[in-house]
Amino acid sequence: TQTVSQSDAHVTVFEGDSVELRCNYSYGGSIYLSWYIQHHGHGLQFLLKYYSGNPVVQGVNGFEAEFSKSDSSFHLRKASVHWSDSAVYFCAVGGNTGANTGKLTFGHGTILRVHP
Amino acid sequence: DAGVTQTPRHEVAEKGQTIILKCEPVSGHNDLFWYRQTKIQGLELLSYFRSKSLMEDGGAFKDRFKAEMLNSSFSTLKIQPTEPKDSAVYLCASSTAYAEQFFGPGTRLTVL
Repeated sequence: TQTVSQSDAHVTVFEGDSVELRCNYSYGGSIYLSWYIQHHGHGLQFLLKYYSGNPVVQGVNGFEAEFSKSDSSFHLRKASVHWSDSAVYFCAVGGNTGANTGKLTFGHGTILRVHP
Repeated sequence: DAGVTQTPRHEVAEKGQTIILKCEPVSGHNDLFWYRQTKIQGLELLSYFRSKSLMEDGGAFKDRFKAEMLNSSFSTLKIQPTEPKDSAVYLCASSTAYAEQFFGPGTRLTVL
């Protein structure tokens, strides 16, 4: 069974601040990890993905995430946020083997609010 | 390129009605997913198709939820009969194998 935990339901920062959104997962097998963003009234949009290699992956709009096998984590970071980054952020784990191939399991999401 | 299209954007149904939600995936994508999104449960996978074959039929959603993919460019999700607890946003997504999923804007369903 795959599980994804996003420990912070809400994060509030000011424009220009740095931010880290946390994600921990559990899964027994070969996986890939992703982050998605959802603005109000829209579907989810892909931000970035880790499968193998360099544990720090770069995404769109200055976002990056770091994979840690020892911590079972895949935290998302941005050095300087903009008010337009206000949205819900979802971490997801996907499997590459067996019955989980191609499917994503999503965390419950973290609402990021950026004050101007 | 057109993204994932979902219709209608909003649907209001009476309890016991049958409703059909529609989805057109990104051209060339082999995988199609239906999700239900609520504040309490988050994103729940309802159905998953690969090359039009049903890979996952949603477990607990099987009895009143039925997704079909008659061709590679169109899928439907039927809920029959609807219940108030089905009120949610229904999202359709498509992808190529192991790649990122592209989501539609969703259909907001309200069951009275």
